[in-house]
Amino acid sequence: GIQVEQSPPDLILQEGANSTLRCNFSDSVNNLQWFHQNPWGQLINLFYIPSGTKQNGRLSATTVATERYSLLYISSSQTTDSGVYFCAVLFDKAAGNKLTFGGGTRVLVKP
Amino acid sequence: GAVVSQHPSRVICKSGTSVKIECRSLDFQATTMFWYRQFPKKSLMLMATSNEGSKATYEQGVEKDKFLINHASLTLSTLTVTSAHPEDSSFYICSASRERHTEAFFGQGTRLTVV
Repeated sequence: GIQVEQSPPDLILQEGANSTLRCNFSDSVNNLQWFHQNPWGQLINLFYIPSGTKQNGRLSATTVATERYSLLYISSSQTTDSGVYFCAVLFDKAAGNKLTFGGGTRVLVKP
Repeated sequence: GAVVSQHPSRVICKSGTSVKIECRSLDFQATTMFWYRQFPKKSLMLMATSNEGSKATYEQGVEKDKFLINHASLTLSTLTVTSAHPEDSSFYICSASRERHTEAFFGQGTRLTVV
């Protein structure tokens, strides 16, 4: 069936380290977004990236739609980067504007 | 980016009572909004699609009589948890987009605790 899989499920980093989070999806997409869920539960929009590469400060993302994956890069990680990172996809075949979420990657950045 | 506001952020209610959660798009009109539920340490699960001026569309397994959705205007959708029970305790979050197939924005979420 239609799936969105994120890896790794958990990640522990030392402050200052770099990391890569991966999102695999099972079918062609209209939309792909990366979110950071903070400790209070709010979803912060990081990237709207159905294809290509974008950068915002220490974060960047790349989506290779033809190979059905997206990567989120965190460079020089800080303790404030801790939280859960979600990838969410709008599949071409999805009815309406429904996003399908991956399982998330829980990141802990230690000082 | 667009702003979606959700209220209340936290609510505690007694079993058997009903609770209403509001989701507003503050700077754009949204003909469609979405309601999600999130269990602790789990991902977001879509509950229903709220359609302005018509009935909501519920995902399989979601009780429409338990979770009443009203989308009375282009900027407001409400989710009412009726006759709440402790198992309804959860984090509920809404989203909206300016247009179809564009970036989705989420409200702050509502943490519901039923005692």
